Amino acid sequence: QVQLQESGPGLVKPSETLSLTCSVSGGSISGYYWSWIRQPPGMGLEWIGYIHYSGSTNYNPSLQSRVTISVDTSKNQFSLKLSSVTAADTAVYYCARDKILGGNHYYMDVWGKGTTVTVSS
Amino acid sequence: DIQMTQSPSSLSASVRDRVTITCRASQTISNYLNWYQQKPGKAPKLLIYAASNLQTGVPSRFSGSGSGTDFTLTINSLQPEDFATYYCQQSYGTPWTFGQGTKVEIK
Repeated sequence: QVQLQESGPGLVKPSETLSLTCSVSGGSISGYYWSWIRQPPGMGLEWIGYIHYSGSTNYNPSLQSRVTISVDTSKNQFSLKLSSVTAADTAVYYCARDKILGGNHYYMDVWGKGTTVTVSS
Repeated sequence: DIQMTQSPSSLSASVRDRVTITCRASQTISNYLNWYQQKPGKAPKLLIYAASNLQTGVPSRFSGSGSGTDFTLTINSLQPEDFATYYCQQSYGTPWTFGQGTKVEIK
């Protein structure tokens, strides 16, 4: 059974770069797309972007200028970097596996437990 | 971006009630619509994909329907463990977007 685990600093200073890693266990990172999603306190869900195991990416335009998602198949991990953070980037960050039902029917079927990142000096 | 609007934003219901949550897309999305359940402090959990397909392991009291712009999540015979927030999400086009959520509370 595939499991995902987010890791990284829980506190980031304004203007610095937020860096998180999602470790995949119980299965291979190959063959799938992988997403990052975030949820500010008390608010809804925002999709940040996804990466294919081959390295191709797709980002939310609202964050595109600040986001980089990368993959390391040798470590079965993928990562998120978000630069120039502000308090508005304070959120729970989730990683998830994207499954495809054929065509473009993507859905996020396995999620990590989430990690809280606070942006504060 | 495709906007997803859920209604109601919250509802109160009793155990064994039938609950219906609606999700409307700002443009047609065929059946590229997924539903998730989120409990406080937990990650979202996939319930329904491609509008009407029940995810493995999800109880059959959950069902989804709809196509185009209007979609429905129905919970038949609400159980205590179903009190949570429910989100719809479109995968028709990027950026993938979620509805604002519907909180199902105990009456």
